[in-house]
This record gives sequence, C-alpha cells and structure tokens, in this order.
Amino acid sequence: GQQVMQIPQYQHVQEGEDFTTYCNSSTTLSNIQWYKQRPGGHPVFLIQLVKSGEVKKQKRLTFQFGEAKKNSSLHITATQTTDVGTYFCAGYPGGGNKLTFGTGTQLKVEL
Amino acid sequence: DTAVSQTPKYLVTQMGNDKSIKCEQNLGHDTMYWYKQDSKKFLKIMFSYNNKELIINETVPNRFSPKSPDKAHLNLHINSLELGDSAVYFCASSQAGGLPPETQYFGPGTRLLVL
Repeated sequence: GQQVMQIPQYQHVQEGEDFTTYCNSSTTLSNIQWYKQRPGGHPVFLIQLVKSGEVKKQKRLTFQFGEAKKNSSLHITATQTTDVGTYFCAGYPGGGNKLTFGTGTQLKVEL
Repeated sequence: DTAVSQTPKYLVTQMGNDKSIKCEQNLGHDTMYWYKQDSKKFLKIMFSYNNKELIINETVPNRFSPKSPDKAHLNLHINSLELGDSAVYFCASSQAGGLPPETQYFGPGTRLLVL
C-alpha cells in the first residue's frame, strides 16, 4: 500500500489565508523532497530537506522535516491564486532506491 | 530549451490498440523514469532505467514494455490497451549525486485516453 500519506487530500482557502499540508511516512526517510504541480502541468521540484528537524523557507513557503525523519510539512503564509496546484512530498522509505511520492494535497485558492 | 520532452502530449485510442510514448532528456542525466498519474492525482513509479539498464520494475502488467536505446531516451510501449490505462504518463530524469541528489525533472506528460 501507499507508504507516504498526505493530509488533507483537498483544501479550499480564501486568498490571504494560510495553508498547511502534512506528509507522513510509515518508515524513516533519508531525505524529503517537495514538488508542486500546477493544474494541467507537471510536478516541479521545490526543495529538499535532509537533516532531522530541518526548517527551510522560500518566501511565503516554510518546509519542515520532523525530528524522527518520518514526517514533514509545508506551510504557505497568505496564499495567493498563484499557489493553486497539487503539492507532493516524496522520499525514499526505508532507504530504498525508489522515490515514493505522497498522495498529494490539491490546493484551491478563491478570491 | 525543453529539458525533458515527451511525445505525444495527447493520445486518444481504442481499447485493444497498441501505442508508444517517447521521452527524451537533454540534461545529461543517467537515470530516467516512467510514472503514471491517475485521476486522483496519485503519482506512481512504473519503471526506472540507469544508463540503459532496468533498475526498477514495479508491479506493472507486462503489456507495458519500456525501452531505452540510450541514456537520453526512454520509450514506453503499451500493448492491448485497456480502459484502466487511461491516465497521465510522466517521464522524468535525475542524476545520482546531483545537487540536490536524485531531484526528478519531469516531462510535460502524455494524456492517454482509452475509449
């Protein structure tokens, strides 16, 4: 079954509201990657986190890697319509060689 | 310049037909992949090739056969298409030891609809 789960699956927000998606793995991840897929587009790499407890920021986006390296989160402050899309986390569960993508969170931003 | 390209972008075909999707990357990467994305946006790896060698072969029906003539190309041939094959197929590439390591660069996708 799916080893990397994300919640929520869908999120509708009003422009200006904050948004968070959570990523949980059943096994330890050596690192965590985040991708964004715009509607009709393809996944595009955003960032990678490697260290336990690591926090990285990209403008309004804050990425966090859990202390146990089994979970991660992406927080967007003051969403804009350009943030619309599906956000995926991805990692290598159990140190394997297969990048496993999370189930994704589809974000819609309304004016 | 497109880094990872796929053809065709759209493919509409009848059940039972055989079709191919082509992928090329000009990034000089060693590893290429095929992913399938279903209507719920779930993204699952199907195959991975490293320097023309198959390294990942997920539980995919043997109607799907990948072929890598060289490390810049990875094609996907599908025999006897079924309704359930309708999905978006993404090609991707990565470079072991790249910065960051194993970042996937995706092609634009091929939207396959089987009628």
